Amino acid sequence: NAGVTQTPKFQVLKTGQSMTLQCAQDMNHEYMSWYRQDPGMGLRLIHYSVGAGITDQGEVPNGYNVSRSTTEDFPLRLLSAAPSQTSVYFCASSYSPGSSGNTIYFGEGSWLTVV
Amino acid sequence: DAKTTQPPSMDCAEGRAANLPCNHSTISGNEYVYWYRQIHSQGPQYIIHGLKNNETNEMASLIITEDRKSSTLILPHATLRDTAVYYCIVRVYGGNAGGTSYGKLTFGQGTILTVHP
Repeated sequence: NAGVTQTPKFQVLKTGQSMTLQCAQDMNHEYMSWYRQDPGMGLRLIHYSVGAGITDQGEVPNGYNVSRSTTEDFPLRLLSAAPSQTSVYFCASSYSPGSSGNTIYFGEGSWLTVV
Repeated sequence: DAKTTQPPSMDCAEGRAANLPCNHSTISGNEYVYWYRQIHSQGPQYIIHGLKNNETNEMASLIITEDRKSSTLILPHATLRDTAVYYCIVRVYGGNAGGTSYGKLTFGQGTILTVHP
């Protein structure tokens, strides 16, 4: 049982480049989400998905796209990287928050630097 | 989302119990209290969660006051490896998908717990 797996762990991009952060979970969780963590800002929700084919915006979605073609995978795309997107990104998954309290599992993080 | 307030830092001697307080005075009836910790910028690690009853697992105990406005995380026998940032978080359950906050965990600044020999 791998839990939540994120790749790559480290990435350096030039301004304007695009890339995709991968996230996969093997727990058959409906709910998956992406957070970014910046010094002094805590973790902020970027996008989330409640199931295959369904995504929605979080509190800081600008500059990011997501899709959910399968239950297992929830990639985060940066279309045109900007220095403001330098951050640590965490993927998380859980069963639906629509029912009772569920354990939310996080990946190990992806460190992204945009120069 | 309810806001949580935690002390910025705490110290604890190895082998002693660490009691980490959290204030969530605006918590509503459909919000759970979660505790996570983060070590060296690794991914947040789940510790425990509860709604209104006290909870215990192999890692810790969670004591929630009767009015649910505050809680305490107890690490019964702290070790050096428990040194980390501890986050008290509330999360809404129920409701419908859509909107910017569905299922969101609202992280505050956390408490830096230092366990010393």
